[in-house]
Amino acid sequence: GEDVEQSLFLSVREGDSSVINCTYTDSSSTYLYWYKQEPGAGLQLLTYIFSNMDMKQDQRLTVLLNKKDKHLSLRIADTQTGDSAIYFCAESIRTGANNLFFGTGTRLTVIP
Amino acid sequence: NAGVTQTPKFQVLKTGQSMTLQCAQDMNHNSMYWYRQDPGMGLRLIYYSASEGTTDKGEVPNGYNVSRLNKREFSLRLESAAPSQTSVYFCASSEAIWTGGKDTQYFGPGTRLTVL
Repeated sequence: GEDVEQSLFLSVREGDSSVINCTYTDSSSTYLYWYKQEPGAGLQLLTYIFSNMDMKQDQRLTVLLNKKDKHLSLRIADTQTGDSAIYFCAESIRTGANNLFFGTGTRLTVIP
Repeated sequence: NAGVTQTPKFQVLKTGQSMTLQCAQDMNHNSMYWYRQDPGMGLRLIYYSASEGTTDKGEVPNGYNVSRLNKREFSLRLESAAPSQTSVYFCASSEAIWTGGKDTQYFGPGTRLTVL
């Protein structure tokens, strides 16, 4: 089955860069996503990358995809206290609907 | 435009009680999903409905039933609640017109369920 792994916790100082890592197992993934969950809220899509791309940049966010190693990362530049949240990576595999398989989530804490 | 709404926000049940979690979306999406979120386990798919009139099991369907009432609404029912079903439940929806392309899922705010 699909297995998406992330480390559970990350702490960074305000203004530094954050890098959140994710590994997945299914090589047939078409899109890979990053979602953000703030306390008490649902998940909000941050960004995504198509599986034939290596990198995608979107303002302070940079997504890197190493398809050979099945490794995905999210870099947040100039991390702010408002970035404190849980970040989930997810892979998309067609199984009748566009089902997503989520990682365990990484709780990012930004220290002022 | 409210997006995806869920009711109730919080619920406490006793073991063996039943309840239905409601979900509605106003984005005219074809597909809808129910997930549960447990600490250290991310989100796991319970059931999904690829289109109106169809439902399918996800990763953890045991103990749950669903109804796709119409295109807007997708409910999740616990017939006989157990403590292992204590969790946060999220509903999501997406266009899901599969072209091999991106299909963003939009999530509701969640229902926090405790089973005593």
